[in-house]
Amino acid sequence: GQNIDQPTEMTATEGAIVQINCTYQTSGFNGLFWYQQHAGEAPTFLSYNVLDGLEEKGRFSSFLSRSKGYSYLLLKELQMKDSASYLCAAMDSNYQLIWGAGTKLIIKP
Amino acid sequence: SQTIHQWPATLVQPVGSPLSLECTVEGTSNPNLYWYRQAAGRGLQLLFYSVGIGQISSEVPQNLSASRPQDRQFILSSKKLLLSDSGFYLCAWSAEGQDAGEQYFGPGTRLTVT
Repeated sequence: GQNIDQPTEMTATEGAIVQINCTYQTSGFNGLFWYQQHAGEAPTFLSYNVLDGLEEKGRFSSFLSRSKGYSYLLLKELQMKDSASYLCAAMDSNYQLIWGAGTKLIIKP
Repeated sequence: SQTIHQWPATLVQPVGSPLSLECTVEGTSNPNLYWYRQAAGRGLQLLFYSVGIGQISSEVPQNLSASRPQDRQFILSSKKLLLSDSGFYLCAWSAEGQDAGEQYFGPGTRLTVT
């Protein structure tokens, strides 16, 4: 079957670095996506990886290893506004997104 | 630029009443359209998606239906709501193919069935 696993909740300190891991199993693979969702709001697209390696976008970076079925989202210089849920989603061979349940990130001062 | 509208923002409905949620997209043509539901503290559950007018795929058998009467309009309906239909309903659009993973969401409708 198709499955996405990510931690339910993580806590980090303002100014620090946090890594949110995601493992996936899909029927075919057409990319790995990360979304940010603040409480009570809609998700917003953060990043996309289809090739192995690291994609950097400001304070946020996303890594993919296709052979391991593994990705992570790295957040640097954490700010209080980064408190949100982070959703990992993998695209299968039918170009459908398989969504993880999300990781709630709590930032402490 | 593209924008997506979804209404109403909140809705409280009694069990057994009908439901109609509407979503419209501006600034793009022939988008893929999606309806998701999110229970409190949970991930996204894909309910329906559409790749064109009148083309609807259902992901989960349930009490809901969807229609796409126009290219940029997507409607979620129910004839009789159940308590389990409560949740946060999100409409989204994307381009097709590989670009379908980059989805843009409307503000959502928080539905409470009482």
